[in-house]
Amino acid sequence: DAGVIQSPRHEVTEMGQEVTLRCKPISGHDYLFWYRQTMMRGLELLIYFNNNVPIDDSGMPEDRFSAKMPNASFSTLKIQPSEPRDSAVYFCATRMGRGEAFFGQGTRLTVV
Amino acid sequence: GENVEQHPSTLSVQEGDSAVIKCTYSDSASNYFPWYKQELGKRPQLIIDIRSNVGEKKDQRIAVTLNKTAKHFSLHITETQPEDSAVYFCAAPTTGYSSASKIIFGSGTRLSIRP
Repeated sequence: DAGVIQSPRHEVTEMGQEVTLRCKPISGHDYLFWYRQTMMRGLELLIYFNNNVPIDDSGMPEDRFSAKMPNASFSTLKIQPSEPRDSAVYFCATRMGRGEAFFGQGTRLTVV
Repeated sequence: GENVEQHPSTLSVQEGDSAVIKCTYSDSASNYFPWYKQELGKRPQLIIDIRSNVGEKKDQRIAVTLNKTAKHFSLHITETQPEDSAVYFCAAPTTGYSSASKIIFGSGTRLSIRP
């Protein structure tokens, strides 16, 4: 398996634009997590899914953020409209049951 | 609410010396405690983990200890080497709605090894 795959690796966009981040989990993993990493706030959990169902989105900062998992092979995190303070590295991580979580390589988002 | 506290935030040790990083957690139902290492510009990767049925686990120069009563666990790195320089994160799963389990990370420790 190629591991957790995220795209794009880097994204630079203008304030106000819509941004969509994508994640392909490891096959068979039933949990998917979206994290945001910044120097100030560390690794923040935004939302997580179990068997494609959103379980806890209390970490989503605002209504501008939304996430979906239409099937076991794909998830998206969308920011609309984007703002400069959304600039961060966004990680997707997946795991099977209660075991080790595997991280994707992350998407470095810069909003100018 | 659920919380994982990690100390110290930065740590500098002489090469060859030991480094210790400590974490406390709040959810008494947590039963799995992983440690991740993140090198500059890379993703976090698991280096060692421990389950609540044991008090200590070792893997070469790395060890983790767990005190469930006090709800804290620690990472120990012996004979530190330059390649140990990185940010280390502890984590604990917390059980939430419908028994699903999310992972909360500590704030991270930036470890620097002085030559």
